[in-house]
Amino acid sequence: GQQVMQIPQYQHVQEGEDFTTYCNSSTTLSNIQWYKQRPGGHPVFLIQLVKSGEVKKQKRLTFQFGEAKKNSSLHITATQTTDVGTYFCAGPRGSTLGRLYFGRGTQLTVWP
Amino acid sequence: DSGVTQTPKHLITATGQRVTLRCSPRSGDLSVYWYQQSLDQGLQFLIQYYNGEERAKGNILERFSAQQFPDLHSELNLSSLELGDSALYFCASSASAGSSYEQYFGPGTRLTVT
Repeated sequence: GQQVMQIPQYQHVQEGEDFTTYCNSSTTLSNIQWYKQRPGGHPVFLIQLVKSGEVKKQKRLTFQFGEAKKNSSLHITATQTTDVGTYFCAGPRGSTLGRLYFGRGTQLTVWP
Repeated sequence: DSGVTQTPKHLITATGQRVTLRCSPRSGDLSVYWYQQSLDQGLQFLIQYYNGEERAKGNILERFSAQQFPDLHSELNLSSLELGDSALYFCASSASAGSSYEQYFGPGTRLTVT
């Protein structure tokens, strides 16, 4: 079945360093969503990418969708302690079902 | 605050018991999803309902069942509980049934089976 693989599983950075997490699918995705879960919290929607090669920015966060729509990345520039949490990518199975396959997530720790 | 409410927040029960988790979606959202999150399995999709009807099913055990009521709230029933069922259970809602709709997660119910 379709799987969404996410790497790395853990990332520890010092405040001010950059951070990137990668998401890869075995099949073409119609869209990909990114969520953030703070420690002790629930996943919160960050963004959705739909178009091949799409790049979207939210302040220090840059999201990319690959040309083949099989991979995506989230890059955070100059991390802050508020960036701590687990970042998940999620891709659908088919275009009509609402089911999302979530990656295992990348747990980001930021040292002050 | 996502607008999705879940009760109870915490639940401690014994093996073999049955529990019911409740979820109220965001106002206007027709689709409800249930997820199980455990340390070793990540965020696992269990089931989706749309406007009262089952829409998609994931790796939901036969001991688990769910339903969505006419007022759109949903309940997840877990029976014959085992130690391995201990996890965080999230409900999420979205405006419609398709995968292009963002999902809003509730705060979760932490289930501990002893």
